Amino acid sequence: AQSVTQPDIHITVSEGASLELRCNYSYGATPYLFWYVQSPGQGLQLLLKYFSGDTLVQGIKGFEAEFKRSQSSFNLRKPSVHWSDAAEYFCAVGGNTGTASKLTFGTGTRLQVTL
Amino acid sequence: DTGVSQDPRHKITKRGQNVTFRCDPISEHNRLYWYRQTLGQGPEFLTYFQNEAQLEKSRLLSDRFSAERPKGSFSTLEIQRTEQGDSAMYLCAGQGGKETQYFGPGTRLLVL
Repeated sequence: AQSVTQPDIHITVSEGASLELRCNYSYGATPYLFWYVQSPGQGLQLLLKYFSGDTLVQGIKGFEAEFKRSQSSFNLRKPSVHWSDAAEYFCAVGGNTGTASKLTFGTGTRLQVTL
Repeated sequence: DTGVSQDPRHKITKRGQNVTFRCDPISEHNRLYWYRQTLGQGPEFLTYFQNEAQLEKSRLLSDRFSAERPKGSFSTLEIQRTEQGDSAMYLCAGQGGKETQYFGPGTRLLVL
């Protein structure tokens, strides 16, 4: 069964500091990997995705993530955090065909940004 | 804006009442998913449609839950005889081809 672990429930960083959010996945085949962001009371916005190819993927708002198959990881990074980045971040894994395309999410990491 | 809309955005109901939520994806979304998100958790898969066919249902989807996508466009999720444990955010996502799922804003349900 597929699963996602986000080990950090809550992270606090200062504005302008760098950020790394961890994500480890378990999946029996080649995974599709995603990072979504959710502001309070809102739906999920896609930050970036990995399907294949270059293991370093760029997303919106200056975020990037690196797929490391050997570590089953897909960590999210940003070199300089802005106060508006404060939100909940979810990593998700899915497949690419049929019923495997449903997403399995981690429990999320809440990011707090101090000024 | 993902183009996926959900209605209503908020619903308060009393235990035992029935509720129905609607999701409108964009026309290119041949797949439509429903997820449930409880406080402090990530979304959990409930069910999904390929056009009008419901292809998979999670064990989370008890027999009080039913979903339809009658013409392969909009979808409805109905909960009968609501319980307090049904209180959650219900999220809908549309997907075209094999690509990304785009989420709507969600319907927040509170069962009193």
